[in-house]
Amino acid sequence: QVQLVQSGAEVKKPGASVKVSCKASGDTFSSFAFSWVRQAPGQGLEWMGGIVPIFDATNYARKFRGRVTITADESTSTAYMELNTLRSEDTAVYFCARGGNAFVLVPDVKPSYYYDMAVWGQGTTVTVSS
Amino acid sequence: EIVLTQSPATLSLSPGERATLSCRASQSVSSYLAWYQQKPGQAPRLLIYDASNRATGIPARFSGSGSGTDFTLTISSLEPEDFAVYYCQQRSNWPPGNTFGQGTKLEIK
Repeated sequence: QVQLVQSGAEVKKPGASVKVSCKASGDTFSSFAFSWVRQAPGQGLEWMGGIVPIFDATNYARKFRGRVTITADESTSTAYMELNTLRSEDTAVYFCARGGNAFVLVPDVKPSYYYDMAVWGQGTTVTVSS
Repeated sequence: EIVLTQSPATLSLSPGERATLSCRASQSVSSYLAWYQQKPGQAPRLLIYDASNRATGIPARFSGSGSGTDFTLTISSLEPEDFAVYYCQQRSNWPPGNTFGQGTKLEIK
């Protein structure tokens, strides 16, 4: 059964960067879509972006483009989310989530994929404070 | 960007009652809509995907319906553990991405 285990809580100063990891166990890592979702205190869920390793594809929500970088290390089955130029409004719990459907790479065919979120990590609290 | 609007913001019901939660999209999302349940201090849990398909292990009292712009999550008979916040979410195939609704809090009356 797949499990996503995220790195521990972080406290950062404004202007700094934070990198959160999400290690997957179970199914083939690279075939699935991984998303990052954040939740500010008392607020709703916000999709930040995602990665599909088998297609070497990344996508970002417009709001975070230029400030977030999502990567994956297939050798360790770990996805990462790095957020730069932190401000107090970035204080939130950050979740990684994995899709439920495995994608297949077909030679000479344009990849078609989407980000669904069937399995979730436990969340990582990031606090930005001076 | 597609905007999802959930209603009501808060729903107060008693155990055993039927709950009906609504999610409306600003433009058609076909059937690419999911529902999640979130309890305090926990990660969200996928309940329904592609508008009407229950995720693995989700009880039959949860059902989803709708297509295009109007969707409904129905809980046929509320159990004490069902009181939580519910989010709808749409997925776009191109460009790939997601948006969430603002959530509906289901509270005990």
